[in-house]
Amino acid sequence: AQKVTQAQTEISVVEKEDVTLDCVYETRDTTYYLFWYKQPPSGELVFLIRRNSFDEQNEISGRYSWNFQKSTSSFNFTITASQVVDSAVYFCALSEGYSTLTFGKGTMLLVSP
Amino acid sequence: ETGVTQTPRHLVMGMTNKKSLKCEQHLGHNAMYWYKQSAKKPLELMFVYSLEERVENNSVPSRFSPECPNSSHLFLHLHTLQPEDSALYLCASSQGGQETQYFGPGTRLLVL
Repeated sequence: AQKVTQAQTEISVVEKEDVTLDCVYETRDTTYYLFWYKQPPSGELVFLIRRNSFDEQNEISGRYSWNFQKSTSSFNFTITASQVVDSAVYFCALSEGYSTLTFGKGTMLLVSP
Repeated sequence: ETGVTQTPRHLVMGMTNKKSLKCEQHLGHNAMYWYKQSAKKPLELMFVYSLEERVENNSVPSRFSPECPNSSHLFLHLHTLQPEDSALYLCASSQGGQETQYFGPGTRLLVL
């Protein structure tokens, strides 16, 4: 069975601080995909990244970076120099084989000016 | 229009009403999904359609009835809902079951 754990329910930071959102997953399959989505107050889930289980390279996109470590079953997300517009709920998700997405419970990030 | 659109964005209905939620995707995808997001709960997958055939129905009560007339449109027909059905209903689409799902803005439903 698939499972995604986001242990941080809520994080508050001040603008320009760096922040890391944790994601730990469980799967028995060797082929799987990991995702991060952002949900601003408007409600829409915005796709951020997709990573397959065979690609452990870390990824950087502007102020966003992702650290995938199969040894610890983690796929953590770091925002560098956070901004108020980063305030949102962030979801980590897992897709195993041809199954649908299993989402974590989300981490609410509040960035204060 | 681009991406995934949903109408209406907000809906208030009584328990005896019948209403429908509409989702349209402009991405050329062949799979569409309905999710329910309640306060302080994880996203719950309700229905999956692939090539216009329903492939998954996660024990959703019969008062929710999906319809997928073609690969671009997905409906969720609602009748005799309960107050606990109040939630954000999100639609998504993807090109196949393994590919990235793209979400619409959601419909915020309040059942009185």
